[in-house]
This record gives sequence, structure tokens and C-alpha cells, in this order.
Amino acid sequence: SQQGEEDPQALSIQEGENATMNCSYKTSINNLQWYRQNSGRGLVHLILIRSNEREKHSGRLRVTLDTSKKSSSLLITASRAADTASYFCATDATGNNRLAFGKGNQVVVIP
Amino acid sequence: KAGVTQTPRYLIKTRGQQVTLSCSPISGHRSVSWYQQTPGQGLQFLFEYFSETQRNKGNFPGRFSGRQFSNSRSEMNVSTLELGDSALYLCASRGSLETQYFGPGTRLLVL
Repeated sequence: SQQGEEDPQALSIQEGENATMNCSYKTSINNLQWYRQNSGRGLVHLILIRSNEREKHSGRLRVTLDTSKKSSSLLITASRAADTASYFCATDATGNNRLAFGKGNQVVVIP
Repeated sequence: KAGVTQTPRYLIKTRGQQVTLSCSPISGHRSVSWYQQTPGQGLQFLFEYFSETQRNKGNFPGRFSGRQFSNSRSEMNVSTLELGDSALYLCASRGSLETQYFGPGTRLLVL
């Protein structure tokens, strides 16, 4: 299976609720990045967490990284309809910009 | 700063033809990477260029090639198009930090 693989779930939540997505990977990494994609458009970078970091926040986003379990989670708090998108995690295992992406998690936020 | 731009945004070709896609990175960024996104295979790394040199290459046939110019703009070329080459092609640029910034993509349809 692929490096950087999200739990294959589609989330449907009400506006205001929190959304959590998970990602697992198989090899050692330099960093892990989360991206958002709306309707097959370009990827928007959300947050990067380095291998020596355990948690990072950016606005309503919280990312955790557990290198012992080779997993990461993305939490979106107080979701909004505009958060409706596909979310991808991507790992940089070599430090040479070769990102390995997961399959993506589709999140639908119902107004 | 202007973001990553890709041209054209949409393209329709027939089997056997060849196609050239263009990517202009963020000003000052010297690394450009290309990715292919399909419903079946997800996001896959094609290659990465830095200072006009290919630094990394993914697992794609030789029909896929690229180059980078002295102003960091990059092109990728696909020769002898096949139906399976229909995809969203994304390019990403990177500066001195690890984050890769993606363009809006070129959607290629091969008939």
C-alpha cells in the first residue's frame, strides 16, 4: 500500500462540529504535510509537521504526529461549509521533495 | 507574490499525439515537481527539477519527460498519448523551506 495513507473514510458532519482524519505511513520521514483539494482543483497547503515535532496548530487546524506508530491526525475544529473538500496527507521520506500522497479523505460539512 | 501558474488549464488530445504542459513557479523558487492525479492511482510523483537538472524521477515510462529553464519555469511532455494518461497534472514549487506550493493543475483528456 501507499506511503501516506489516510483511513479510507468519508466524513459528513454538521457545521460547527469537529472533523478528525488519520494518516499512516510506512517508512521514516523528514516531514508530513496536509493538503486540501476542492473539486479536483489544485492542492492547498495546510500545515507541515517535522519528524521531531509532535503537535502543531494553525488556526482551526491541529496536527499530531506519532513517529513510533507512523501515524498522523488532522483535526479541524468548529467546521464550516467552506471546509468541504478532500484532505490529503503527504510524506517526505527522503528530504528531496518527493512527496508520497495518501488516497485522500472526503469531508462534507453540512450547513 | 503570485502563486504557481500552469498552462493550459484544460486540454483535449487524441491517442498517439503528444502534449506539452507548462508551469511557472513562485518567484524565487528553484525547485519544480510534477505530479499526476487520477481517480484510480491517486497522486503520483512524476519528477522534480532543480536549477535545470532533474533531481528525482518517479516510476513512469519514458514517454513522460520534462525540463526546466534558467528562469525556473518548467515544462513536461508526454509523447504517444494513451487513454490512461487522462489525468490532472499538478506542478509544485518549493523555495528554501520544505513546503511545496501547488498550481491549479492542467486537466488532460485523451480521447
